[in-house]
Amino acid sequence: QQQVKQSPQSLIVQKGGISIINCAYENTAFDYFPWYQQFPGKGPALLIAIRPDVSEKKEGRFTISFNKSAKQFSLHIMDSQPGDSATYFCAAGRGTDKLIFGTGTRLQVFP
Amino acid sequence: DTGVSQNPRHKITKRGQNVTFRCDPISEHNRLYWYRQTLGQGPEFLTYFQNEAQLEKSRLLSDRFSAERPKGSFSTLEIQRTEQGDSAMYLCASSQRTEAFFGQGTRLTVV
Repeated sequence: QQQVKQSPQSLIVQKGGISIINCAYENTAFDYFPWYQQFPGKGPALLIAIRPDVSEKKEGRFTISFNKSAKQFSLHIMDSQPGDSATYFCAAGRGTDKLIFGTGTRLQVFP
Repeated sequence: DTGVSQNPRHKITKRGQNVTFRCDPISEHNRLYWYRQTLGQGPEFLTYFQNEAQLEKSRLLSDRFSAERPKGSFSTLEIQRTEQGDSAMYLCASSQRTEAFFGQGTRLTVV
């Protein structure tokens, strides 16, 4: 009930391509779904977050798609850049309390 | 810088010693969270505060761990009698219930 499953574990994308990371959750009480970007040795930085009253949210090159019935959500990074190379974590929770994180996706964008 | 601040950034300690970490949240954020992150994994929830009240503690938080937030502003996390298994990144986050922002973390190495 508390797991958040994230895939793929690693992703290699060419510059300009689309990066897609998927997550699935189990607890239907969750109502906050953020994505974090983390560089080595740094803390997670909030990228974008969504709540279940909308099916999509876009901020710049980053889009979250949310499917409440399937209990799945995904991050799309358009026009991927080498500077986007990092580890991405999805998370889910009831509000911001006690977030459950996925296992992370290491993204590498090659020129 | 008005983000979440954590000190120290790095701590190396001998097994059996006590260590204390400090977190200064974003001002006016009434919720403060502690997470632990080991290499290659997502952050795991430890405990959280609403103002000065500690509302929940994870089973990960053994008796050797204690956290305080005495005036509802900064927080400290103390680990007594450190063990090698305590080596990890300790992350602090704060929120005003809408978005959760993380600090840069304290990297603890127990030798």
